[in-house]
Amino acid sequence: ETGVTQSPTHLIKTRGQQVTLRCSSQSGHNTVSWYQQALGQGPQFIFQYYREEENGRGNFPPRFSGLQFPNYSSELNVNALELDDSALYLCASTRGRGPGELFFGEGSRLTVL
Amino acid sequence: KNEVEQSPQNLTAQEGEFITINCSYSVGISALHWLQQHPGGGIVSLFMLSSGKKKHGRLIATINIQEKHSSLHITASHPRDSAVYICSYNTDKLIFGTGTRLQVFP
Repeated sequence: ETGVTQSPTHLIKTRGQQVTLRCSSQSGHNTVSWYQQALGQGPQFIFQYYREEENGRGNFPPRFSGLQFPNYSSELNVNALELDDSALYLCASTRGRGPGELFFGEGSRLTVL
Repeated sequence: KNEVEQSPQNLTAQEGEFITINCSYSVGISALHWLQQHPGGGIVSLFMLSSGKKKHGRLIATINIQEKHSSLHITASHPRDSAVYICSYNTDKLIFGTGTRLQVFP
């Protein structure tokens, strides 16, 4: 039990649609990061938020965007879905800003048809 | 070249065997994570270590900061240990190793 919950656990969308994935972290976890993991691949860093501001971004187009809220929840939004966006999306939270123990959610598995 | 290299990439073992997975990285870091991911599942953090050794049940992790090397050991391996094991470290983002796929057969 990591104290990080993600929703929905599974969802199916069609090409061109938009999706919002949610992550709820433990109280006091000011840093949240999001990752995309395609089937059979390792996780790829999408972006990271610290105290509601983006403070790091991976090699993902602008149609991937995020928000972090004061209640330690966050969102990943993906617009204009493409088939290659089909993946497991993971969020992880840590207390503070620097290196710290990681707490991962179970992930949201997105299928784009 | 990946910033974090793991070996072996794939590992099969019989139940009860002692397992070692190695991780080498190229930059100075303050802490390293060992993560576990079961097939089709999410990621679980096993250890975060900055120096020396940590033990949790049958799992032992060691790190040598000067040599930029860490190892994860599993004693008395069990089929439920079958998973992908990933080492990683934080900079402004989490850098993941290449992963080691472990299969333990009864």
